[in-house]
Formats: sequence, structure tokens, C-alpha cells
Amino acid sequence: ILNVEQSPQSLHVQEGDSTNFTCSFPSSNFYALHWYRWETAKSPEALFVMTLNGDEKKKGRISATLNTKEGYSYLYIKGSQPEDSATYLCALRETSGSRLTFGEGTQLTVNP
Amino acid sequence: DARVTQTPRHKVTEMGQEVTMRCQPILGHNTVFWYRQTMMQGLELLAYFRNRAPLDDSGMPKDRFSAEMPDATLATLKIQPSEPRDSAVYFCASGLVHGSHTFGSGTRLTVV
Repeated sequence: ILNVEQSPQSLHVQEGDSTNFTCSFPSSNFYALHWYRWETAKSPEALFVMTLNGDEKKKGRISATLNTKEGYSYLYIKGSQPEDSATYLCALRETSGSRLTFGEGTQLTVNP
Repeated sequence: DARVTQTPRHKVTEMGQEVTMRCQPILGHNTVFWYRQTMMQGLELLAYFRNRAPLDDSGMPKDRFSAEMPDATLATLKIQPSEPRDSAVYFCASGLVHGSHTFGSGTRLTVV
């Protein structure tokens, strides 16, 4: 069973704080790492797809890095806003065309 | 924007009844996934199709669940007979073989 782990499980920060959380995965059999943002009562939305070791992707105040050799990805949010409150999921694709294996997510709450 | 359409959005049914959930994937997407959101397990993969062929349904209770793609524009998930423990939000997602998922809005199923 493939193990994709996310930490922390939940996080509370104040508006304006910068924050980051981690996705860990087995470093063997890596094809791609996906990040999704999942707001309560909505459906997950794709943020990033990362494939190369050292990849760094950015969308507004959110960025992500990837280390395939050691098996982790970080998601950073700069200057958190209440609208960033959501569960952030990472998912691993082991081989081309295979299913995604999701972590259980990090639930972020940004307090005004 | 292209989107994945799921129907119904909400379904309340009595234990023992058949439930059918439908999904229209995005035109041109050749992979379709059914997930179940549970409190404890986040996103649980139930079934996965590529080019309409079932690739992985190991996450699905076979005695009561079935998933099909009668054509490229329709995927169905059936539960017969339904049980209270099946109550959850069921998400359909579609994508290309190497890409991110686009999720539907989900079907919230309540079995009483």
C-alpha cells in the first residue's frame, strides 16, 4: 500500500502569517506530485502538478517545491488570508497513467 | 469553463433501495474516477476507468457497488442494496492520463 503522508493534520494561523506544510511519499517509483485545494462544501481544485526534482511552482501567494530524492514536497502560503482556509491535499502518481494516491490533507484555518 | 457534471446533487433514500449516481466527464478526458469522501479516510478511491475500460475497482465493495461507463459521456455508480454506512459524499473526477483531476460537485447521499 502506497503511503502518502501530510503534516500537520490541521493548522490554525492568523491573517497575514506565512505558513507551510509537508507532503511525504516514497521516493521510489515517482512520476508526479499533485496539490489540490479543497474548500468546505466544495470539490477539490487542482493547484499544481510537479514532476521534476527541484521543481518550484507558484500561483499568487501559494508556492510549492519538490524533492523527489528524499520524497517530500512543501506547500507555502505567504501572507495567509481567511479565504485560504481549506484542506490542502497532495497526491502521488507512481507511473504514467496510474491512479493518484491521496494524502489525508492538511486542514488550514486562517483567523481574521 | 469545462466541468464535470454530477447528478443528483443530493439523494436521501431508505436502506435497501437502489441508488444510481451519474457523472458526465469533461469532453476529451479519457480517465474517470469515483471517490467517496468519508470523515476518517479523506478521499477514498472506489473505481477508475481509462478509455471507458475499468482499471481498478479494488476499493469498491463488490457485493453492492457497481461502476460502469456505458459511453464516453456517462459514468454511473450504483449501490444495491444501499445501507446507512454508505452515507457519504461521492465525487466523480475526470482527467487526461498524465494530468490533474477535475472534480465534479459531488453527490451527497444519505441512507436512512
